[in-house]
Amino acid sequence: GESVGLHLPTLSVQEGDNSIINCAYSNSASDYFIWYKQESGKGPQFIIDIRSNMDKRQGQRVTVLLNKTVKHLSLQIAATQPGDSAVYFCAENPNTDKLIFGTGTRLQVFP
Amino acid sequence: EPEVTQTPSHQVTQMGQEVILRCVPISNHLYFYWYRQILGQKVEFLVSFYNNEISEKSEIFDDQFSVERPDGSNFTLKIRSTKLEDSAMYFCASTRDSQNQPQHFGDGTRLSIL
Repeated sequence: GESVGLHLPTLSVQEGDNSIINCAYSNSASDYFIWYKQESGKGPQFIIDIRSNMDKRQGQRVTVLLNKTVKHLSLQIAATQPGDSAVYFCAENPNTDKLIFGTGTRLQVFP
Repeated sequence: EPEVTQTPSHQVTQMGQEVILRCVPISNHLYFYWYRQILGQKVEFLVSFYNNEISEKSEIFDDQFSVERPDGSNFTLKIRSTKLEDSAMYFCASTRDSQNQPQHFGDGTRLSIL
């Protein structure tokens, strides 16, 4: 049936702490994964990506971990700042043109 | 930094009317996409477009939808006879290559069907 509006899981963290956002993906054939940040009224903004031949990739203040055995992806944000408050989506690319998005996690940063 | 731009930011249309949503992808990108996001729900793939033809479409992208690249810069999504359930945010995205590349998104058009 159709979802009438998903209740987003929310992660609340204190400014300066590290955040970990988790995602389970569905398709074993997926070989490319992306994390996006979506602020209110804006489109998804690319944060970091990882290919299936890697299990970890680091960017500036962000790290993505990939566990293909259990089809799990995580995004770690170091020293979380108020500007990091947004909804975070993982997306998988199952060897086709499209991205399949997860349901999203709302990150709230409080002082 | 180059970005995908979408117009209008908000479109209000009567049910049954046609609507055209416009996008200007990043200039050296070759692959173009439309997604939609119903309020509070996931971002859902609609269609991908390359070399002036549809390369993949979802089951949502039925006969009332069409896409076009009318010139070298614009990429449009037309909804022929809008329904209430078409109300959503519509996002355009583009990439330089087809797979294993991050898709870059515009800020969307909010479509409200009355």
